[in-house]
Order: sequence, then structure tokens, then C-alpha cells
Amino acid sequence: DSGVTQTPKHLITATGQRVTLRCSPRSGDLSVYWYQQSLDQGLQFLIQYYNGEERAKGNILERFSAQQFPDLHSELNLSSLELGDSALYFCASSRFHSGSTDTQYFGPGTRLTVL
Amino acid sequence: DQQVKQNSPSLSVQEGRISILNCDYTNSMFDYFLWYKKYPAEGPTFLISISSIKDKNEDGRFTVFLNKSAKHLSLHIVPSQPGDSAVYFCAASASSGSARQLTFGSGTQLTVLP
Repeated sequence: DSGVTQTPKHLITATGQRVTLRCSPRSGDLSVYWYQQSLDQGLQFLIQYYNGEERAKGNILERFSAQQFPDLHSELNLSSLELGDSALYFCASSRFHSGSTDTQYFGPGTRLTVL
Repeated sequence: DQQVKQNSPSLSVQEGRISILNCDYTNSMFDYFLWYKKYPAEGPTFLISISSIKDKNEDGRFTVFLNKSAKHLSLHIVPSQPGDSAVYFCAASASSGSARQLTFGSGTQLTVLP
């Protein structure tokens, strides 16, 4: 158990809908990262937050957005869903935000299926 | 453009023998490297890491070697056990101001045969 929790574990929805994925980082971790794992793309970095502020953006679509709340949990919002958005979405957390070499610990993931 | 490559999609090893998983990278800005193990339907589990200022890091049965000139790292598992069977991902990161994101390889499925 990494200490990172994600809900829900599974989500099935229809095209055009909007969903929210939730992540709680390990106790004491200030940074939260979101990754997407689809069959043909592997694990891809989406976005990083540190202590409530966005720090880095990767291959995140404009239809997707995220935020980190004062209690440090984070939510990833996916809207206007398409079939191709079906994937595993992972959240990771780490202690620091700076250039220091700290390790990211991953949650169990949310499997999103868009029908 | 794959900046982190794991060219072997699968590897089979006999129990008790050494498993060697390889990873190549192209971005010379990467300064921190990690190996994760992943079971189906679970999140990646951190195994071991190495900073670019080192060429070797050891933790129990797991050793990571880094060859910066060749832009190559490897994970050695000795001795291999059936419970080690999983997908192993190599990941690399570079500091970008206050951000540090991971770039993953495509993974190697390790099967340890009893």
C-alpha cells in the first residue's frame, strides 16, 4: 500500500459526459501528479500540482482539468468524453516540488470506460 | 519521440537466476532514474532509484546500474523469484524549475519460472 488513495476504482460512462476522479496523497506529500495509461500510449504525464498550485503540464487535453484543494487532495475533471479517453488514470504524490530528486508514489488507479 | 525506451517487451528467467532489465534514454537532461514494478489492475510500485551522480545503487536483491555516457541503465534482480513476475517500467525525470515529471518507458514483462 503506497498510501495514495484514488476513487472510484472503476467508472463507466457514455460519450459526451463529464466525470471527476479523486486522489488523496500520502500524508505529508505536497505534490500530486496525474498520469494516463492507455493501451497504445503507455504511462503519460498529464499535470502536476504543488501545494494547491499548478506546476507542470504534460499531454493534457483542453477538455481535461485538475485542481488541488487546501487539504491537498486533488481532482481530475474529464469532460466531453470520447471513446479514446478510456484508460487507467493514476495519481502519484511526492514530498517536494523543487528540483530535488524525490520519488513519486502511485495510487491504485481509476479505470475509466467510455461507451 | 520516445525519450525512454525499453526495447525488450518480455523476458523469461528461471527461478534463482539473475534477471537483467534494460532501459535506454535520449534526453541528456534526465538526472534521476527510477524503476517501478506493476501488477495488472494496480498502480506502479516504486522499486529503486538512482541519481545521475552515481553509477550504481543497491537495495537487497535489486541493483540499478547507470551508464551516463551510453545513456543506458539496467535493473538486476538476484536471485529472481516467482513473485517478481510483473511488468517493470523504467522512468526518468529532469528538473524544470519547480516541476519534475516522470517519463516512462513502455515496460518489460518479466516472467520468473519456478
